[in-house]
Amino acid sequence: GALVYQYPRRTICKSGTSMRMECQAVGFQATSVAWYRQSPQKTFELIALSTVNSAIKYEQNFTQEKFPISHPNLSFSSMTVLNAYLEDRGLYLCGARDGGPYEQYFGPGTRLTVL
Amino acid sequence: GEQVEQRPPHLSVREGDSAVIICTYTDPNSYYFFWYKQEPGAGLQLLMKVFSSTEINEGQGFTVLLNKKDKQLSLNLTAAHPGDSAVYFCAVTLSYQGGRALIFGTGTTVSVSP
Repeated sequence: GALVYQYPRRTICKSGTSMRMECQAVGFQATSVAWYRQSPQKTFELIALSTVNSAIKYEQNFTQEKFPISHPNLSFSSMTVLNAYLEDRGLYLCGARDGGPYEQYFGPGTRLTVL
Repeated sequence: GEQVEQRPPHLSVREGDSAVIICTYTDPNSYYFFWYKQEPGAGLQLLMKVFSSTEINEGQGFTVLLNKKDKQLSLNLTAAHPGDSAVYFCAVTLSYQGGRALIFGTGTTVSVSP
């Protein structure tokens, strides 16, 4: 079956530092990967969508300078939160698709705490 | 862009009662719709995916209705039980750049008491 793993599951970083999170697709080819953030008490906001052989598209309020994303192959993507502050706390989900018309496969998320 | 409004934000029901959550979307070109369940401290569990050609879908313990005319998607939990207590999110796909990302509703916290 199709599975998505995310590492780490939980992480704590000091304010002003950076942390990198990874997303691994198993059992299918992740032709597109979307990164989302769920801030405390809020819904899931789309950060950016990365599609193989296309430029990464960032949503309003999210920039490549703050959330650089790498999608080097059809099974792996990573995103870094640079210079993290309190407002960056939350659960970061990656959702990967295999090019078919159906749903994204979600990982369990990386929960970021900023001290 | 697409906006997805979800209501109510909170829902408390007794075991055995039904509960209805409604999402209203704005983009008439939206064509794939999803319901997810998030239990405390966990990620997202897909409950059902609905395509624009299908209006009524039944799952285990719930029914999903799609009303394209009014641009509404609803989730009806039938005979709720305590295991249904969670946050529920609807989501709608948009298509751009060849990929598809989801636009999520604002979430509904459902509490089912014995």
